[in-house]
Amino acid sequence: GAGVSQSPRYKVAKRGQDVALRCDPISGHVSLFWYQQALGQGPEFLTYFQNEAQLDKSGLPSDRFFAERPEGSVSTLKIQRTQQEDSAVYLCASSLVGGTASYEQYFGPGTRLTVT
Amino acid sequence: AQSVSQHNHHVILSEAASLELGCNYSYGGTVNLFWYVQYPGQHLQLLLKYFSGDPLVKGIKGFEAEFIKSKFSFNLRKPSVQWSDTAEYFCAVVDYNNNDMRFGAGTRLTVKP
Repeated sequence: GAGVSQSPRYKVAKRGQDVALRCDPISGHVSLFWYQQALGQGPEFLTYFQNEAQLDKSGLPSDRFFAERPEGSVSTLKIQRTQQEDSAVYLCASSLVGGTASYEQYFGPGTRLTVT
Repeated sequence: AQSVSQHNHHVILSEAASLELGCNYSYGGTVNLFWYVQYPGQHLQLLLKYFSGDPLVKGIKGFEAEFIKSKFSFNLRKPSVQWSDTAEYFCAVVDYNNNDMRFGAGTRLTVKP
């Protein structure tokens, strides 16, 4: 079946621009996670949704980062006034079970954001 | 908060060599432990996981990992690697009470044919 998809796959933004990154999770998956992966590092947790509720946003690095999942399926990560330090791969993952990060997470291919 | 250390950044082995990748975490509470793998050009995918019970867990493709609570370790092993095991391997930890999964920095494995 279809896996997690993300779009765009690559995004180049000029410093100061706003960007929106989209994640389509596996149909029926309750949990959705966003991660940021800098070059040479492992993914770092940004935020977690259970259905449409954003239950944890402790990893968002600043108030320029905003995520939503209004209907409990597709999610959008928005970064306002992008800075060079925002350059990274943004990964989305979904999981069948809610309430925990401990069940298998299925990852998308990521969006590589480059801020120039 | 918990952290995860993978001390080997890049490991190069010949085919049929044995593999052990180290993973240590710092957290005293109940944790769930994972190894994820990312093959070249592919998504991250789950290799194996430990929740409870037998501390020696077996995953796909002949991989196994051993949870040693006293050492806060969850090392990944494979007795005989293949060229197709060339990939990046990430150890990850979840605090049982939290929703965030913490990853190590990853170990790049190169297997020479």
